[in-house]
Order: sequence, then structure tokens, then C-alpha cells
Amino acid sequence: AQSVTQLGSHVSVSEGALVLLRCNYSSSVPPYLFWYVQYPNQGLQLLLKYTTGATLVKGINGFEAEFKQSETSFHLTKPSAHMSDAAEYFCAVGGNEKLTFGTGTRLTIIP
Amino acid sequence: GAGVSQTPSNKVTEKGKYVELRCDPISGHTALYWYRQSLGQGPEFLIYFQGTGAADDSGLPNDRFFAVRPEGSVSTLKIQRTERGDSAVYLCASSSTGQPGELFFGEGSRLTVL
Repeated sequence: AQSVTQLGSHVSVSEGALVLLRCNYSSSVPPYLFWYVQYPNQGLQLLLKYTTGATLVKGINGFEAEFKQSETSFHLTKPSAHMSDAAEYFCAVGGNEKLTFGTGTRLTIIP
Repeated sequence: GAGVSQTPSNKVTEKGKYVELRCDPISGHTALYWYRQSLGQGPEFLIYFQGTGAADDSGLPNDRFFAVRPEGSVSTLKIQRTERGDSAVYLCASSSTGQPGELFFGEGSRLTVL
């Protein structure tokens, strides 16, 4: 079975500060890992994904994540937060069939 | 439209009633998923279709829940004898072959059982 754990259900950062959202995974096979974002009143959309190859993956809106097998982590970062980044972020593990999502982290940006 | 469409966007029903939720996926997407999202939780997998057949229905909580996709496009999630615990946002997503995990989600159907 595969699972993900997101540490911190709520994260607040100041505009312009570093964003770090944590995700740890559990998988008995090499995982495919994903970050999805849900803006208010919108459907979830894919932010970035790791399947194979380069462990540092870049996504939309300046976000990136690094796959660290030794730490079973896939943390999401952005160097400088923008007000438009306020949303709920979900880490997920899976692949050819279903995805298993974490419980989400709500990101608030302080002006 | 270009995206995944779900109807109704909101449904309020009484305990014990029957409910149908509809999903119209992106044209050409062969895979279709249903998830359920309760307040404060992440999306929880219910069922996955590849074409017309249910490839994995292991997430359906009990036999009150059923889903169909008769022509390999539109899907309907059916809930019989609704209970208050069924209240949640039901999400539909679709994806194309060859893009594992790249799901395109609709905005969801919010079900409230009184």
C-alpha cells in the first residue's frame, strides 16, 4: 500500500518569504509523486510530478520539489511567496491507476 | 467545454433518498476517477474506470454506492439510501493514456444529507 503524510495542516508565510510544504511518502515500490493545488472555488490542478529521472522537478508558478529517497520525502518549495499562492496543497502518491492523497496543507500568505 | 464538468454542483437531500451525480470528462480521456473529499481531508479514492469497465472499485465504501460509465464517456455515481455520513464533495477526474497520475479534476458536487 502507498500513503503520504503532510506535516502541517496550516502554514502561513509572509509575502516574499520562502514557502516550504512538507510531504513524506510510504511505498513498497518506486513511487510516482505529485503535488496538486486547489485554489478557492476551483478544482484541483496538477502543480508538478516526479516519475523517474531528475530528482528536482519544476512545476508551474515557480514551485519545485525534490525527491529524496533516503528521506522518503517530496517537499514543495518556492523561493518567494506571492499573494496568489494562497490555496490548499495536496501531496499524492500513485501512478498508472489511482492516486492516494494526503490530508492537505492550507497556505496563507501574509501581506 | 474543455474541462471536466460535474452536475449538480450542489445537492441537498434527505436521509434515505437516492442520489445521482454526473461527470462529463474531457473528450478523448479514457480513464475516469471518482473521489470523495470530506471537510478537512484529502480526496479519498472511490472508483476508477478504464473505458466502460470499472478497473478498480476498491474504494467504494459499501454496496449503497455504485458507478457506471456505459459508453466510455459520461459517468454517473449513484448513492442509495443516503446517510448523513455521505455528506461530502464528490470529485470526478479524467486522464489520458500515457500520462500516469496527471488527473484533470472537475469542481466537484457538494452533497449534503440532512
